[in-house]
Parts: sequence; structure tokens; C-alpha cells
Amino acid sequence: GAVVSQHPSRVICKSGTSVKIECRSLDFQATTMFWYRQFPKQSLMLMATSNEGSKATYEQGVEKDKFLINHASLTLSTLTVTSAHPEDSSFYICSAARNLGTGNYNEQFFGPGTRLTVL
Amino acid sequence: GQQVMQIPQYQHVQEGEDFTTYCNSSTTLSNIQWYKQRPGGHPVFLIQLVKSGEVKKQKRLTFQFGEAKKNSSLHITATQTTDVGTYFCAGSGAGSYQLTFGKGTKLSVIP
Repeated sequence: GAVVSQHPSRVICKSGTSVKIECRSLDFQATTMFWYRQFPKQSLMLMATSNEGSKATYEQGVEKDKFLINHASLTLSTLTVTSAHPEDSSFYICSAARNLGTGNYNEQFFGPGTRLTVL
Repeated sequence: GQQVMQIPQYQHVQEGEDFTTYCNSSTTLSNIQWYKQRPGGHPVFLIQLVKSGEVKKQKRLTFQFGEAKKNSSLHITATQTTDVGTYFCAGSGAGSYQLTFGKGTKLSVIP
């Protein structure tokens, strides 16, 4: 399968600081990337859909000014958690969608995730 | 909005026993995907089902997509300790890249 990298894998920061997480698709161009948040022992919650060259689409309840998303190229999307607070501590996972060109195929490849801890 | 329900939430089986997880959508899906997440890891794509009534097999894993394209199941025959993890179904509607994930079924296999 395709490879998606995510950096950093783990970050600990102080409350009030901003943290940037990078998501890269290494072997295919991803016009669409997704950002998920996963709480312990829970499912993945879609935060936003990131489209190359346009503004991200945020899910209901996700603050766009809090979670800044930039999809600058076909292989890179970034998520910046601004003014982080302890309640932002979570596992953030990105995925890149590859359209196989058949019907509605939209296989997603997930990055390894970033564990954010805000003190 | 679209909702995907998945049961059971947890399943403990003796090694060698079979395991099944079920997924139901509130709306008709264009396709359904299954992912496996090992403890401490990230979701890994297993398979995608597109056609009504489709059945696909991967070794001991059998995936089904319902005739109405609103439900799906994953069945594992003769579980092994390597099958441990959380299995998620995820569905998307027509023309959408977005996936709605079920809550997952956490499988524990007792040796």
C-alpha cells in the first residue's frame, strides 16, 4: 500500500503554545487529505477535509481558528493546533485519499499518528 | 448526517474460535471499508467493498456487503493471537471521499 508519513510522532508542549503536525504522502499525489482525532479507546473522529489549493472543510464542532489546516502541495498537509490547552491532548491521525479512478473508490492511507500532550 | 454503528464493542475469544463484527449504516453507502488498528498503532486498510451483496475473502477473513448496501460484516475463522486489535468499518456516500467510521470492535484473543 501507499505510504503516508506524519511528523512528529510525539510532542509534548506547554499550554498556550502552538504545535504544527505535518502529513506527507510519499508515493502518490493526494488531492485530498483528512485529519482525524482519536481519543483513547475510541473511534476516529473526522476533524476536517483538506483539499490542495483550497480552504479546508471543517466538521461541525471543530474550530477552524483553533485547528489551522494548510494543504500547500499535493503531497503535504499541515495541521497547526494553536494556543494548545490540555483538553487538546489527543492522538491526531492524517490520511491521504487516492482515487483509483473507478466509481467512488477512495481508499485512504493513514499516517502513523501524532500523540500530542499539552501540559 | 450519516451514522455508522458497529457491534460488538468488545469481543474476547479463545484462540481458534471464530469472530464476527457487524456494521450498520443509517444511509445507503457507495462503499464500505474495513481497517485494523493494532494497539498503539494506526489504522491499516484491509479491504473495500463496493457492490451490493459482495463477498470478499482474505485468507481467514471474510467480508460481506449487504444487498441494500447499508450493512457489512467481517468474519474471522479460527482466530489467532495475531488477529488482536480493533477492527473499524468505515463507509462513504456517493461522490464523497469522506469516511464515517464505526466505533470499532476490539478483539482480544486468549491463547
